[in-house]
Amino acid sequence: LAKTTQPISMDSYEGQEVNITCSHNNIATNDYITWYQQFPSQGPRFIIQGYKTKVTNEVASLFIPADRKSSTLSLPRVSLSDTAVYYCLVGEVGNTGKLIFGQGTTLQVKP
Amino acid sequence: EAGVTQFPSHSVIEKGQTVTLRCDPISGHDNLYWYRRVMGKEIKFLLHFVKESKQDESGMPNNRFLAERTGGTYSTLKVQPAELEDSGVYFCASSQDRLAGTHNEQFFGPGTRLTVL
Repeated sequence: LAKTTQPISMDSYEGQEVNITCSHNNIATNDYITWYQQFPSQGPRFIIQGYKTKVTNEVASLFIPADRKSSTLSLPRVSLSDTAVYYCLVGEVGNTGKLIFGQGTTLQVKP
Repeated sequence: EAGVTQFPSHSVIEKGQTVTLRCDPISGHDNLYWYRRVMGKEIKFLLHFVKESKQDESGMPNNRFLAERTGGTYSTLKVQPAELEDSGVYFCASSQDRLAGTHNEQFFGPGTRLTVL
């Protein structure tokens, strides 16, 4: 699985849009980009996945440029409850194998 | 639908003792995974069951760790004897069979925090 690089931490304020960028220079043709979210004292939780261009769901948007060497998770109008660690992972869709987590980005939302 | 559950939520034991962690996956999920986070480190994969068979145990640190999934339902992870470096949070996750063209979303439990003194 391709290695990913993310900022270790980010701060934001309630109501702001937060963009977390992940680099994955060695992404393979069959790899998808997946983001997980982890709240304190909980396990990680899937939030969004994409292959190229833009994907949006009720939680977030994922922007992927044409070269797919990076991706940006966008959280609109964050609230205090969005304080969590966000992990970017890459791997083949449908692969039931292990997930490889990096350090993730710790997002702290302030009032 | 009930999520992945883990027991106990916390365990404090002394070095040399034995501890058994339990994971109950989501009903119908054939895939069951164990992960571990040691303080200050990243979440690391330990092993993967497909039903009752070990599909991948490449992440198991040593032979002090024994995972079982009898009957393909719940799983246990035994650490015997426990060492100080085994302290951390142990997560269990489960997922459905591979579906073509879809993400194999893994559903995680809340974890068991193990402290070895």
